[in-house]
Amino acid sequence: AQTVTQSQPEMSVQEAETVTLSCTYDTSESDYYLFWYKQPPSRQMILVIRQEAYKQQNATENRFSVNFQKAAKSFSLKISDSQLGDAAMYFCASILSSNTGKLIFGQGTTLQVKP
Amino acid sequence: GAGVSQSPSNKVTEKGKDVELRCDPISGHTALYWYRQSLGQGLEFLIYFQGNSAPDKSGLPSDRFSAERTGGSVSTLTIQRTQQEDSAVYLCASSLDGRQTSFNYGYTFGSGTRLTVV
Repeated sequence: AQTVTQSQPEMSVQEAETVTLSCTYDTSESDYYLFWYKQPPSRQMILVIRQEAYKQQNATENRFSVNFQKAAKSFSLKISDSQLGDAAMYFCASILSSNTGKLIFGQGTTLQVKP
Repeated sequence: GAGVSQSPSNKVTEKGKDVELRCDPISGHTALYWYRQSLGQGLEFLIYFQGNSAPDKSGLPSDRFSAERTGGSVSTLTIQRTQQEDSAVYLCASSLDGRQTSFNYGYTFGSGTRLTVV
């Protein structure tokens, strides 16, 4: 079985500050991929960042970075220098490489950015 | 098309009526997915189409839900005898080949259809 859990329904951050969104997952397989998606009010899901499980190096995309702890099955998203446009719902998701490409999502975290 | 297109954007229907939701994936994408997002919940997998293979229907919540994909392109999700608990945003996504492309790039999502059953 493959599960993804986000335990923070809501988070808030001051503009220009840093915030970390938590995600844990559970799988018995060793080869998988992890993603963070952003969903603004427009409802369109936007891929923020991706991590391959076999890579130890944490992925980074500009102000977005992850802390991937494979042994702990943890995959947190850090947003640096938060901007008003970062306000959205964020979803953590995973795909097993043995699977057909089916993404399994967490429950989501709503991020509020305060000016 | 340039992106995944879903219609209608919003749909209000009376309890007991049937509804059809449409998804037009990116041209050339062989994999197509339907997800349901209920208020305050994550995305729940419904069904997956890959080329000419039999679809993975393992996420459909009841036999009132069905989906088809004609000609390997447009997909229609049908909900019969709608219930209030069917109210949700229904998201469609596509990827080039359903496996490696998904691993590398995830999916491309549409903006969803918000279904409200009154």
